[in-house]
Amino acid sequence: AQKVTQAQTEISVVEKEDVTLDCVYETRDTTYYLFWYKQPPSGELVFLIRRNSFDEQNEISGRYSWNFQKSTSSFNFTITASQVVDSAVYFCALSESTYSGGGADGLTFGKGTHLIIQP
Amino acid sequence: GAVVSQHPSRVICKSGTSVKIECRSLDFQATTMFWYRQFPKQSLMLMATSNEGSKATYEQGVEKDKFLINHASLTLSTLTVTSAHPEDSSFYICSARDREASYNEQFFGPGTRLTVL
Repeated sequence: AQKVTQAQTEISVVEKEDVTLDCVYETRDTTYYLFWYKQPPSGELVFLIRRNSFDEQNEISGRYSWNFQKSTSSFNFTITASQVVDSAVYFCALSESTYSGGGADGLTFGKGTHLIIQP
Repeated sequence: GAVVSQHPSRVICKSGTSVKIECRSLDFQATTMFWYRQFPKQSLMLMATSNEGSKATYEQGVEKDKFLINHASLTLSTLTVTSAHPEDSSFYICSARDREASYNEQFFGPGTRLTVL
């Protein structure tokens, strides 16, 4: 069975600090997909990134970066020079389905990390 | 592109009534849609997978007779909460998979907040 663990329930930092959100996953499949979503108070999920299990390259997008390490089953997310607008709940998620063009599995979400950026 | 809408965005109903929530893919066709539930300050939990033209697949612990799902077209899936009770109060979010996009390209709707009095 698949599982996603976000051990940090809440993180509070002062604006401009760097912050890393941890995500550890469990899966028996060799092909899987990992995701990060942001959920502001409005509730709508904002897609941040998708990474498949064959692509271990780290990714950077502006102030956001992701570190995918299969050896430790981790997919951590770092925000550099945090801003107040980054305050939200962040979810890491996993999908085990393989690329077959057929059916698709839903996502298994971690419990989320509530990030608070103080001015 | 890739917009998913949900209607209504917010609904308040009395205990014992049924509530229907619509999930629409506005600019793409979705052979598969997913329904999630999120209780306050908790994570999203997959309830069911809805495939166009066939019966929905429910996750363990989700009552299929209580949460009726219909996916009658490639752009619309509906979730009906039958005989709703206060414990059904939650944030319901759907996602849709674009049949033309790369695998598991899922797009989420804005969610429906259900309050049962």
